[in-house]
Amino acid sequence: ETGVTQSPTHLIKTRGQQVTLRCSSQSGHNTVSWYQQALGQGPQFIFQYYREEENGRGNFPPRFSGLQFPNYSSELNVNALELDDSALYLCASSYVGNIQYFGAGTRLSVL
Amino acid sequence: AQSVAQPEDQVNVAEGNPLTVKCTYSVSGNPYLFWYVQYPNRGLQFLLKYITGDNLVKGSYGFEAEFNKSQTSFHLKKPSALVSDSALYFCAVLVTGAGSYQLTFGKGTKLSVIP
Repeated sequence: ETGVTQSPTHLIKTRGQQVTLRCSSQSGHNTVSWYQQALGQGPQFIFQYYREEENGRGNFPPRFSGLQFPNYSSELNVNALELDDSALYLCASSYVGNIQYFGAGTRLSVL
Repeated sequence: AQSVAQPEDQVNVAEGNPLTVKCTYSVSGNPYLFWYVQYPNRGLQFLLKYITGDNLVKGSYGFEAEFNKSQTSFHLKKPSALVSDSALYFCAVLVTGAGSYQLTFGKGTKLSVIP
């Protein structure tokens, strides 16, 4: 098991609501990346945080936002939830560009 | 754009037989390639990576991968499959730019090892 923990494990929301997902990175890691994995698909890169700054973003709208804290933990926030946001959200931590280690994910269902 | 492709949605193999899960890549410059495995209701577990050096890379749980530059392939292999190897396997390429390091994944290949 990696040292990356995510909470909550499951979440059910309704369309239009807002959600916050949390990630604690592995000890010694300073970079956190977030990915969205829709059913039957490979993970898609959302964004990456390094030293509390977003330093890369995939093809996701601004209603997807994040934070990284001084202890390198991170949050993913999604506003105005849509049905298509239903997915497994994965957090990965790394030491800069080295191997990314993933948490078990948060399963979000939007009804 | 950097990308990987996994041409097989599913691979079936008998327990004890060798297994191969295929991956091809399209990158400019030197490729940084990875294999991850995902068990049901779990995150991704790192198996192995190719950065540079030997074309045969050894990883976790007896898996290895062969990098072939001329065929732009990075196939995952194991000499003798176990039932517990049944899972979803993802090939990925590391894409760098503007200070970020993002993984671009293939669609995944479901491996079923039949007892």
